[in-house]
Order: sequence, then structure tokens, then C-alpha cells
Amino acid sequence: SQQGEEDPQALSIQEGENATMNCSYKTSINNLQWYRQNSGRGLVHLILIRSNEREKHSGRLRVTLDTSKKSSSLLITASRAADTASYFCATRSNDYKLSFGAGTTVTVRA
Amino acid sequence: DAGITQSPRHKVTETGTPVTLRCHQTENHRYMYWYRQDPGHGLRLIHYSYGVKDTDKGEVSDGYSVSRSKTEDFLLTLESATSSQTSVYFCAISDFGRGENRSGNTIYFGEGSWLTVV
Repeated sequence: SQQGEEDPQALSIQEGENATMNCSYKTSINNLQWYRQNSGRGLVHLILIRSNEREKHSGRLRVTLDTSKKSSSLLITASRAADTASYFCATRSNDYKLSFGAGTTVTVRA
Repeated sequence: DAGITQSPRHKVTETGTPVTLRCHQTENHRYMYWYRQDPGHGLRLIHYSYGVKDTDKGEVSDGYSVSRSKTEDFLLTLESATSSQTSVYFCAISDFGRGENRSGNTIYFGEGSWLTVV
């Protein structure tokens, strides 16, 4: 079964707006990662947050992690058309596998 | 882009035939994975390898087998393809454990193989 589940399933925003998506997971984790997938392509790693971290930034991306609620959020600020993609959270426990959620599809309208 | 090549990229095959997908990496990473991606399910792990000739099952391994005879190649075989195996298959690699922080490593994905079983 999948470890992570993203919410919402789909999101449509205007260019320049912020996009927020959430991820919930079930068991304890070592780290949580976010990936982006453009249509017809493979997944690309965006950002990783470790279980002992609460917030992390990378450019226009901000990730938070609340291990007590087993949840994470990804915020994309000042969205651009190029941010149109599917976004996946992935969790890693104490092994060599990543478990992915079903993803959030983000559409940025010009 | 990480040096990962999947082949074939697109294939149509008939039910009951065997199919082999190949993943080739040039990064010398220890860990290799096969995922399938289906609408509404995200990515699900089929099999993974943690070294040459060392493989293990993922969450959806039934009907699939894998082999890894060299560090750079990881083969996924559908022993007798079924329509439920129509999917996009992604190979991925990682190097967990190398470097100063084992927990910090990430996974790199290939471009995918589109398989249709008719």
C-alpha cells in the first residue's frame, strides 16, 4: 500500500499565485521528499526534508514537515507556467525504498 | 540528467507473451528500482536491487521477475503479459549509504517505458 497521499488531487491557479499541496503518510519516516513530473517524463527530485527538520526552503519552494501529524506541505510561491506538472511526495523509512503517493496535478494558467 | 537509459521506450505486445524491459545506468549506483505508474495509483514499486544478483520484491511484484548480472543493468521481465500490466514503467537508481549522510540520498528516474498489452 502507498505510504504517502497527496491532497488535493488537482489544483488550478493563476500565474503569480502560490500553490500549496499536502502529503500525509502512515508510518514513521527517515525523510520525506518531493518530486515533480512533467507530462510524459520521469520524476525529478525537488527537495528533501529529514525527520528532524521542520521547514526547508529551496528557491521558490518551501516544505514543512510535522512528524506528530505525519504530514508535509509543499508551497510553490509566485507560480509560473513552467510549474505546471504533477507533484509527488515520497517517504523513506529505514530501508532503501521510497514510497510514493498518487500525486497532485498542478495547472498554472497564464 | 542522471545517466539512466530505458529500453524500449514504447512497446505494444500481445497477451501471454514475455516482455523484457531494460534499464542501463552509467552512474555506478548500487540501488536500482522498477516502478509502475498508473492513473490514481502514483508510483508503485515492483522490484528493487541492492547489488549485483541481490534483488527483492516490492509491493506489486506478482507476474514480474528481475535480474541484475551487472551493476549497470537491471532487467524487468513480464513472464506472460496481461492487460493489467499495461502501464508506464520507470527505472530508478540511488546511492543510499554513500557519502557522509546515508539518509540524505535521493532517487533518480529514467524517462519511462510505455507498455501496452493487447
